[in-house]
Amino acid sequence: KQEVTQIPAALSVPEGENLVLNCSFTDSAIYNLQWFRQDPGKGLTSLLLIQSSQREQTSGRLNASLDKSSGRSTLYIAASQPGDSATYLCAVSLISSGSARQLTFGSGTQLTVLP
Amino acid sequence: NAGVTQTPKFRVLKTGQSMTLLCAQDMNHEYMYWYRQDPGMGLRLIHYSVGEGTTAKGEVPDGYNVSRLKKQNFLLGLESAAPSQTSVYFCASSSPFREQFFGPGTRLTVL
Repeated sequence: KQEVTQIPAALSVPEGENLVLNCSFTDSAIYNLQWFRQDPGKGLTSLLLIQSSQREQTSGRLNASLDKSSGRSTLYIAASQPGDSATYLCAVSLISSGSARQLTFGSGTQLTVLP
Repeated sequence: NAGVTQTPKFRVLKTGQSMTLLCAQDMNHEYMYWYRQDPGMGLRLIHYSVGEGTTAKGEVPDGYNVSRLKKQNFLLGLESAAPSQTSVYFCASSSPFREQFFGPGTRLTVL
């Protein structure tokens, strides 16, 4: 069974700092990996999707990398801002999950950016 | 373009009552999903659908039923609610093999 782990569970940084969030998964036969953010009491907002054939994806201040062989992904946030405070979730879809490409989620990293 | 919407936003039930959660999407997505989110357990897939008229079980399907009579709608039903079904329920949709988009969630409490 695929297991997705995110470390640390919580992170607090001062505004302006660059930071890295980590995601690891046990089964490397993935179809893609998706990063989300979730604000308290809200739904999930998709940030980046990396296909298994890709090494990284970038959107604004965000950069996500994927290393399938080691079962790891990182989300890099540049020049962090208080508005980046949220819980960040990674999720992987396994090739074995069939046509629906069901997602398996990590428990998330709760990020606080201090003004 | 509303994306994925969910009705209702909040609901309190008594044990044994039934209810239906409605999910609607206006992105013409083929695939739709129902997840539940619980503290310490993360998000877990309940049921999913790969097209109108089709449904399949996810990781935690017991106690729930679903229907996909129209492409844009995906209904989640609880026939006899139990306190263990207290959770936040999220609906999501996607095109085949593409990113999933989530609704705002329904917070359900079963007393």
